[in-house]
Amino acid sequence: ETGVTQTPRHLVMGMTNKKSLKCEQHLGHNAMYWYKQSAKKPLELMFVYNFKEQTENNSVPSRFSPECPNSSHLFLHLHTLQPEDSALYLCASSPGASGSREQFFGPGTRLTVL
Amino acid sequence: SQELEQSPQSLIVQEGKNLTINCTSSKTLYGLYWYKQKYGEGLIFLMMLQKGGEEKSHEKITAKLDEKKQQSSLHITASQPSHAGIYLCGADIITGTASKLTFGTGTRLQVTL
Repeated sequence: ETGVTQTPRHLVMGMTNKKSLKCEQHLGHNAMYWYKQSAKKPLELMFVYNFKEQTENNSVPSRFSPECPNSSHLFLHLHTLQPEDSALYLCASSPGASGSREQFFGPGTRLTVL
Repeated sequence: SQELEQSPQSLIVQEGKNLTINCTSSKTLYGLYWYKQKYGEGLIFLMMLQKGGEEKSHEKITAKLDEKKQQSSLHITASQPSHAGIYLCGADIITGTASKLTFGTGTRLQVTL
């Protein structure tokens, strides 16, 4: 247990569906991250939130919409995804978003887009 | 080209043997992190290195950051089946006045009996 939980662990959705991924951290951290991990590609940083404010958006398509209502919760809203969006989506948290960024990761959500 | 290059991409070693994984960048690394990942699961933090020449150990795993802060190595002594998994290096790479968090492609380690 890393102190970061993600739900659901597995998700299958059609291209016209709307779904949301949830991440929760119990570590008292101030920064939270969404990553995409595809086969044979480096881990891709998608979004960074620090004290509930988005500080990084790495050219992520608008069909991915993040939401951070507080420092402990992070959501990723999914809408009209493409099959190439199928991947493992990882959430992480760290004490802060600058300086040393030792991150703690959740177990991930395995997403399949049909 | 990748900003962080890991080598080798995969490794099969016999139980009890030593092994080394490398992580290299052409740019200065502000912070270097090593993680281990079981297939399809989240990353487990292993170690963080920040100072040039720094070396840290945890059980049978030792990580070093070179003096120039552009290369790190992860060394496992007397490997065990429990060491099997994917090892990833991540780093804050200095770009201009900011730092960018980047990961390598990972090294898949198998330990045979």
